[in-house]
Amino acid sequence: KQEVTQIPAALSVPEGENLVLNCSFTDSAIYNLQWFRQDPGKGLTSLLLIQSSQREQTSGRLNASLDKSSGRSTLYIAASQPGDSATYLCAVLISNTGNQFYFGTGTSLTVIP
Amino acid sequence: DGGITQSPKYLFRKEGQNVTLSCEQNLNHDAMYWYRQDPGQGLRLIYYSQIVNDFQKGDIAEGYSVSREKKESFPLTVTSAQKNPTAFYLCASRWSGIYNEQFFGPGTRLTVL
Repeated sequence: KQEVTQIPAALSVPEGENLVLNCSFTDSAIYNLQWFRQDPGKGLTSLLLIQSSQREQTSGRLNASLDKSSGRSTLYIAASQPGDSATYLCAVLISNTGNQFYFGTGTSLTVIP
Repeated sequence: DGGITQSPKYLFRKEGQNVTLSCEQNLNHDAMYWYRQDPGQGLRLIYYSQIVNDFQKGDIAEGYSVSREKKESFPLTVTSAQKNPTAFYLCASRWSGIYNEQFFGPGTRLTVL
């Protein structure tokens, strides 16, 4: 069974710092990997989706990379702002079950003004 | 204004009662999902549906039931057989196809009294 791990569970950084969030998965047979943001008590907001054939995707200050062979993805946030404070989750769509996504437990990010 | 709506936002249930959570989308997505989120755990899949009148069990389907009579609607019933139903429930949808993003509703928080 696919297992998705996000380390660290929590991260606190000063405003303006660049930071990297990590996502690891055990089964490299994935179709895609999606990064989400979740604010307390809210639903998930999609940030970026990387297809299995891609190495990275960029949106504004966010850059996500994917290394299928090593089972890793990173989300890079440039010039962090207090508004970036949220929980960040990754999810993988695996090949042998069609439509099932597996989620990590998330990294809770706090950006200190 | 396209999106996914979930109702109610908060729901309280007495032990032994069945309750139904609503999920509606106007994005014309064919696939819909129900997840459960507990503190410190990743999202876990309850049920998903790729087409009308068809749905598949996820990893934690016991004590839950769903229907998919219309493309835009995917209600979830939490039955009395679900022993620990207190959780945050999230509905999602997407176009089928391995490279398409998931989009989420705002969630329903269910509490058993």
